[in-house]
Amino acid sequence: DIVMTQTPLSLSVTPGQPASISCKSSESLLHRNGRTYLFWYLQKAGQSPQVLIYEVSSRFSGVPDRFSGSGSGTDFTLKISRVEAEDVGVYYCMQGVHLPRTFGQGTKLEIK
Amino acid sequence: QITLKESGPSLVKPTQTLTLTCTFSGFSLSTPGVSVGWIRQPPGKALEWLALIYWDDDKRYRSSLKSRLTITRDTSKSQVVLTMTNVDPLDTATYYCAHSTTPWYDDYWGQGTLVTVSS
Repeated sequence: DIVMTQTPLSLSVTPGQPASISCKSSESLLHRNGRTYLFWYLQKAGQSPQVLIYEVSSRFSGVPDRFSGSGSGTDFTLKISRVEAEDVGVYYCMQGVHLPRTFGQGTKLEIK
Repeated sequence: QITLKESGPSLVKPTQTLTLTCTFSGFSLSTPGVSVGWIRQPPGKALEWLALIYWDDDKRYRSSLKSRLTITRDTSKSQVVLTMTNVDPLDTATYYCAHSTTPWYDDYWGQGTLVTVSS
């Protein structure tokens, strides 16, 4: 199984400041079709995960443009340009290039 | 509007069989490309993908749990059922079902149902 490793595991950010989460995979997430299947989810307290970013850098419907994703191969980053109070929760990266889909350990974002 | 809802027992005894039902609306599992999967999350821990069933009844399982899992569908009832045999306290988790229209990720998730395995 592909191992997904996130850093940091927790983050405390002042509203209006940027935040960045790193995700590394144990194998390349580049599919033979040329697309890279790395996704980002946010799980708010007491809720199910919601998709933020698909295929590395595409924002899911309704996701604010302060969220952006980047990376390639095995190294990926989620950035929030200006953190807002509603961004609190646990962020997970996930790979979909091979089954089983595997998730990172999660990064807990808190507001200072 | 796509919605999914999980249902099943909240408490199961060790060695018993757990049966979870995902009832969905807003899509058909007969539509090419659509799949429904199950993911679980032990309390305070990360997400773990378990299984999925495709529109053509193809099925995939997490290899480490394959001998204990069965996923089936009832298209007429818009339901997907996951059974897990011989449960253990380590199977205590919130179980989610989720929808997908691509082979790569789940876009809509149910609210989850907490299952505790304890004697």
